[in-house]
Amino acid sequence: QVHLVESGGGVVQPGKSLRLSCAASGFNFRDYGMHWVRQAPGKGLEWVAVISDDGRTQYYADSMKGRFTISRDNSKNMLYLQMNSLRAEDTAVYFCAKEDTVLIPDHWGQGILVTVSS
Amino acid sequence: DIQMTQSPSSLSASVGDRVTITCRASQGIRNDLGWYQQKPGKALKRLIYAASSLQSGVPSRFSGSGSGTEFTLTISSLQPEDFATYYCLQHNTYPRTFGQGTKVEIK
Repeated sequence: QVHLVESGGGVVQPGKSLRLSCAASGFNFRDYGMHWVRQAPGKGLEWVAVISDDGRTQYYADSMKGRFTISRDNSKNMLYLQMNSLRAEDTAVYFCAKEDTVLIPDHWGQGILVTVSS
Repeated sequence: DIQMTQSPSSLSASVGDRVTITCRASQGIRNDLGWYQQKPGKALKRLIYAASSLQSGVPSRFSGSGSGTEFTLTISSLQPEDFATYYCLQHNTYPRTFGQGTKVEIK
């Protein structure tokens, strides 16, 4: 059974950095691309980034390019999102998600809240 | 980037009603579209992928159709557990983009 658990969220000041983690289990992690998606309070879903199964290829949403970095450690079954120069508008619940052969998420974590506030 | 325009943003319906939600892509995306259901406190659930393929375990009252720029999600007979928010997601190009969501509420 696929299990994804995000961690590392919390309250952070504008301009600071935060790294989210996602622990994966129940599937062969190194065989699948992984996504981050976020949802601001009371708003819709916003796709953030994806990383290929081998970690060599990443794509980002335009608004996060240059500030966010997605990475993974296949030896630890871990996915990461390094978020720099955080802004109030980055306040959201962040979800990690596994993709399948159709290259969109098929399983999701429960999400972790990041609040950017002074 | 491909823009996904989803409508309506919300709707009220009764148990047993047929419900249709639409997504329009700003350019052709073949059949590269998925539909998701979101309920408070529950993990997001994929209902449909590749526009019309039903995700394993999803009830057959859910169906998807369309290709190119126009897509629909249909719930043939709304059940109490279907009251939720639904999103489309295009998987034709990067960046991936979601529709704005449709909240299905009880009439």
